[in-house]
Amino acid sequence: DGGITQSPKYLFRKEGQNVTLSCEQNLNHDAMYWYRQDPGQGLRLIYYSQIVNDFQKGDIAEGYSVSREKKESFPLTVTSAQKNPTAFYLCASGRSPGDTQYFGPGTRLTVL
Amino acid sequence: GIQVEQSPPDLILQEGANSTLRCNFSDSVNNLQWFHQNPWGQLINLFYIPSGTKQNGRLSATTVATERYSLLYISSSQTTDSGVYFCAVEQTGANNLFFGTGTRLTVIP
Repeated sequence: DGGITQSPKYLFRKEGQNVTLSCEQNLNHDAMYWYRQDPGQGLRLIYYSQIVNDFQKGDIAEGYSVSREKKESFPLTVTSAQKNPTAFYLCASGRSPGDTQYFGPGTRLTVL
Repeated sequence: GIQVEQSPPDLILQEGANSTLRCNFSDSVNNLQWFHQNPWGQLINLFYIPSGTKQNGRLSATTVATERYSLLYISSSQTTDSGVYFCAVEQTGANNLFFGTGTRLTVIP
């Protein structure tokens, strides 16, 4: 099946720990994105990548890091520097920047 | 940055009713997309519509870029239409989407 997968679905973390969220796509898309959603809010862009080995900060990149070593994969690390990391994290991809975006099922991160 | 405002914030409909959701944006845009987020959090792209009108079954959308707004029409609503509808725009000169805060639709039987 073609699509975008995210894992895990639920993630619990202790304060002070780094955690990495996985995002994989087999759609052969060049562009990939990470968004954060807080309850009752819209999505805010954390990072995006237009091509392998390149990525750009979005509106709320502080406390997060990414890598794009393969076209199919765009993992997001939530570091201990992120002051309020509890949120719903969504990954998306598109054929090219500005094209229709397709979303994964999301990861709910809770910091205990 | 660009401002994206959606109205109404909440909408409750009887099954079978029609509705119109509105998205206003504060600057010129390269593209505009409508999404539906189901109760489990999954976002589905409904329309990619920088201008003009598109229809897909019971849903249609119109964007008037010169007047900086877009409308999403839902006809003969069904309970499965429930969820949050987001408008997202790509500002001219940017490479990413800005999302509105959404319209939460509840369709009751």
